[in-house]
This record gives sequence, structure tokens and C-alpha cells, in this order.
Amino acid sequence: QKEVEQDPGPLSVPEGAIVSLNCTYSNSAFQYFMWYRQYSRKGPELLMYTYSSGNKEDGRFTAQVDKSSKYISLFIRDSQPSDSATYLCALGRLTGGGNKLTFGTGTQLKVEL
Amino acid sequence: EADIYQTPRYLVIGTGKKITLECSQTMGHDKMYWYQQDPGMELHLIHYSYGVNSTEKGDLSSESTVSRIRTEHFPLTLESARPSHTSQYLCASSVPGLNYGYTFGSGTRLTVV
Repeated sequence: QKEVEQDPGPLSVPEGAIVSLNCTYSNSAFQYFMWYRQYSRKGPELLMYTYSSGNKEDGRFTAQVDKSSKYISLFIRDSQPSDSATYLCALGRLTGGGNKLTFGTGTQLKVEL
Repeated sequence: EADIYQTPRYLVIGTGKKITLECSQTMGHDKMYWYQQDPGMELHLIHYSYGVNSTEKGDLSSESTVSRIRTEHFPLTLESARPSHTSQYLCASSVPGLNYGYTFGSGTRLTVV
């Protein structure tokens, strides 16, 4: 069983829609929860991070963490064509060798005009 | 704009050739990583380094090798390329602490024919 499962998509939504992207995880040792955005032919870029259960907002983006259910979500409000990208969840924990990130497989999002 | 650079961006090479993928960062980050990314799959850590003269293998077995002679430089070498090495290779760096995400380069798309 994978440590992190991400809804694979792909998702196609109309401009202005609310988008929900989700990941579940099995290891309660994860302490930090991140979302990366990856445009085509580019490397992932950090979009949001949080370390506690609850919501964290940044503009049109909201990261939600539910540690009791081992479930994280990214919501995008008023989605724009420029949001079209692959979104990866990444979960961080301390290991014997230092901090380590485990990534989901990514959800490909397309926002259409 | 990320201050981590990967060259070449694209490489098509014949089986059996030796190749080196370059990765440099100008942020003074101690930690650097190499990931392999295939379509629909999660990022797999193949090598990491916590500083000069420190290198470790990651979770995914790889026939590549790395070196870290200078803080800013973390090249990856394949002594004898095979078609199974065809993939996207992403380099990343970070500062200590889980609450700092990774900064990724744009990747090298390697095709071995």
C-alpha cells in the first residue's frame, strides 16, 4: 500500500469553478503537508504548506488538513485557465536521515474557458 | 524564478553512452535531491545529499551515481545508459527544517534509444 494516495484525475472544469483536490495517507508520522503545482515541462513549485489540522487560506487557494482522518485537500476558488497544471500533494516527516517528503502521483487539472 | 538550474533540458542518447546531468543552485542550500518522474507516477527519490562530500541513495534503486564536491553543484551520472533510464529527472534543493519546501529545477527529459 502506498503511503500517499492522490485522486489521479484528470479533471476538466469550466472557468470560475471551485476545484477540490485530495490526498489520503496512512502514516501518522507525517507532520507537514504541502501542495506543489507543476506546469507542463517545468519542475514543481511550492504552492502551500501547513502543519496543523484545519484550513489555511492564500488568495484563491485553501489547504485543508484533517489529521484524524489522514486526509488533505486543496481547494481552488474561481479557477482560471492559468491554474491548468498538475497538482502534487507532498507530506513531510522527520526520519533518521533528516526530513523527507513523500509525494502523491499528481492530479492533472484543466480549466477551460 | 527558481535559482536552481538543470542542463540539458532535453537529451536523446544512444544505449551504452555515459551521460552526466547537471544541477546547480545559487541559494546556498545544504540539501540537494534527485528525483525521477514518470507520467502518472509519484516522484521517486533516487539520490540525496545533506552537504559537501555527503551523498546517499534514495528510495528507488538507481544505476546512477552522484557527487557533491561543491555546495552549489550536484551532478548525476549514468555510466552506461539504457532505454529503461528514459525518464524525467528533477533536481531539488532545500534548507533544513520541514517547514521549508523544496525548490525544483525545470528537469531534464532523458530519452535513451
